[in-house]
Amino acid sequence: EMQLLESGGGLVQPGGSLRLSCAASGFTFSNYAMSWVRQAPEKGLEWVSIISRGGDVTFYADSVKGRFTISRDNSKNTLYLQMNSLRAEDTAVYYCAKALLVGTVPSPFDYWGQGTLVTVSS
Amino acid sequence: DFQMTQSPSSLSASVGDRVTITCRASQGISNNLAWYQQKPGMVPKLLIYAASTLQSGVPSRFSGSGSGTDFTLTISSLQPEDVATYYCQKHNGGPKTFGQGTKVEIK
Repeated sequence: EMQLLESGGGLVQPGGSLRLSCAASGFTFSNYAMSWVRQAPEKGLEWVSIISRGGDVTFYADSVKGRFTISRDNSKNTLYLQMNSLRAEDTAVYYCAKALLVGTVPSPFDYWGQGTLVTVSS
Repeated sequence: DFQMTQSPSSLSASVGDRVTITCRASQGISNNLAWYQQKPGMVPKLLIYAASTLQSGVPSRFSGSGSGTDFTLTISSLQPEDVATYYCQKHNGGPKTFGQGTKVEIK
């Protein structure tokens, strides 16, 4: 059974850092691009970042560019999001999501984790 | 800035009604558009991709159409279990921008 399990969320002060992880199982992780999507409380979905299956291609939303870094370790079937210089507006549930199509970054997302809550507040 | 604009932002319809949601891209994206359904308290679910391809397991009352900048999600006969917020998303290269969502309720 396919599974994505996010961890690493929590309460952090403005200006602080957090690293989110997403442990994948039930599929060949290294074959698929992976993405982070966030959802602020009572708000819509906001795409954050995507990484190619090999980790050599990344894209970021303008709202996080220069502050967040996406990475992956295919030997550990794990996706990461390093978040620095956090702001109150980064408060959200962060979901990791798997690309539907094998081997390509241009792809919708067919499987989502349950999410991890990040709260940025003093 | 690339934008995906959905309309309406919310709607209320009766069971059995035909429901249509539109999504407009600020630039042409060919057919690289997906629709997701998010029920309250749940994670998003992929319904349609490539503008009109139904994801496996999705009921046939859902359909999608469009190309370029204008797209449509149609529910042919609204069911109580379709109460949710629906999002469009561009899935071609670069940022995978979402629309702001359309909340569907039962009248």
